[in-house]
Amino acid sequence: DAGVTQSPTHLIKTRGQHVTLRCSPISGHKSVSWYQQVLGQGPQFIFQYYEKEERGRGNFPDRFSARQFPNYSSELNVNALLLGDSALYLCASSLRADYQPQHFGDGTRLSIL
Amino acid sequence: KQEVTQIPAALSVPEGENLVLNCSFTDSAIYNLQWFRQDPGKGLTSLLLIQSSQREQTSGRLNASLDKSSGRSTLYIAASQPGDSATYLCAVFQGAQKLVFGQGTRLTINP
Repeated sequence: DAGVTQSPTHLIKTRGQHVTLRCSPISGHKSVSWYQQVLGQGPQFIFQYYEKEERGRGNFPDRFSARQFPNYSSELNVNALLLGDSALYLCASSLRADYQPQHFGDGTRLSIL
Repeated sequence: KQEVTQIPAALSVPEGENLVLNCSFTDSAIYNLQWFRQDPGKGLTSLLLIQSSQREQTSGRLNASLDKSSGRSTLYIAASQPGDSATYLCAVFQGAQKLVFGQGTRLTINP
């Protein structure tokens, strides 16, 4: 079975632009979470969605938004990109929203010039 | 606010040795704890999940323990191999929704 898939793999943007990152969860998984991992640090929680509703939000500015579609795939949108947004963006899926094992994709490497 | 710390930040050992990675957390009222492996430039691979009611969990050469009262978890790797070289991350569930991660231990196994 396919794992969590994320696209694109790499992305280069300039300051002020916006970006959309995509995630397809493992088949049967209804919860999707997004994390930001800056080089040398552990991942930081951005959002969790379950059954198309936002269930949790981390300490990120309103420039970050996300949504989940009826097929449980998800998009993360970031507006007005800053140099500090350069990071690996990870998507994780789980069967449900409560304390389930999280399965991560390989991430999208976003570089801001 | 839950904080997770992993010590050491980096560890280098010869092949064949048994080793222990440490993870500590500040709030003992946790639910589950999950250990991950991350290869350079890659995503996270789940290794083990320990439920709050469990003391340990085993998978192959890996054994993870959990002591909630002391706020500690350990990951024991037996008979280490060069392929075990990676960054190991522990994470605790804060509420039902999110994982709080440590900064990881970068492990190098020397042939």
